Amino acid sequence: AQSVTQPDIHITVSEGASLELRCNYSYGATPYLFWYVQSPGQGLQLLLKYFSGDTLVQGIKGFEAEFKRSQSSFNLRKPSVHWSDAAEYFCAVGPLNTGFQKLVFGTGTRLLVSP
Amino acid sequence: EPEVTQTPSHQVTQMGQEVILRCVPISNHLYFYWYRQILGQKVEFLVSFYNNEISEKSEIFDDQFSVERPDGSNFTLKIRSTKLEDSAMYFCASRETGSSYEQYFGPGTRLTVT
Repeated sequence: AQSVTQPDIHITVSEGASLELRCNYSYGATPYLFWYVQSPGQGLQLLLKYFSGDTLVQGIKGFEAEFKRSQSSFNLRKPSVHWSDAAEYFCAVGPLNTGFQKLVFGTGTRLLVSP
Repeated sequence: EPEVTQTPSHQVTQMGQEVILRCVPISNHLYFYWYRQILGQKVEFLVSFYNNEISEKSEIFDDQFSVERPDGSNFTLKIRSTKLEDSAMYFCASRETGSSYEQYFGPGTRLTVT
């Protein structure tokens, strides 16, 4: 069965420091890959996506993610975290065998930003 | 920028009652979805809808659940007889046709069953 693993439940980063959130997926072929962010009381906002091509993708709010096929990973990075980045981050996959592209989500990583 | 809207933002209901959660997808989108997120847990797929019929549903989406697109703009999720375990945040999402596969999510409806 398809699964998405986000091994870190909580991460605390100092403002201005770099950030990396981990995501691993288990699936027979490379699915479509997404990162969403959920601020308190808000819906899910798409940060970035990977379908094919360049394995380093740029997203909104200064985020980027790198797809590594050999590691089945799609880690999210940001070089300098801002206090407003505090939120919950979800990695999701869209399995290729589902033509209507349901998303399978990881359990999320809550990012806390310290002053 | 167009967005998915959902009403109500919070609904409280008693066990056994019927609830209808409403969503207005982005106007030119043709694929519609419902997901739910039980407090502290991950977001789970419930159902997808295309061309006026269910295209895929999860094990969670049992006979107590139904979806409908009653007109050209609304997309609803009905729970016929709510249970305590239905308490969750319910998200609607939509996407357009083509190869983008990006799903746009609404802000969610928090359902509390007492």
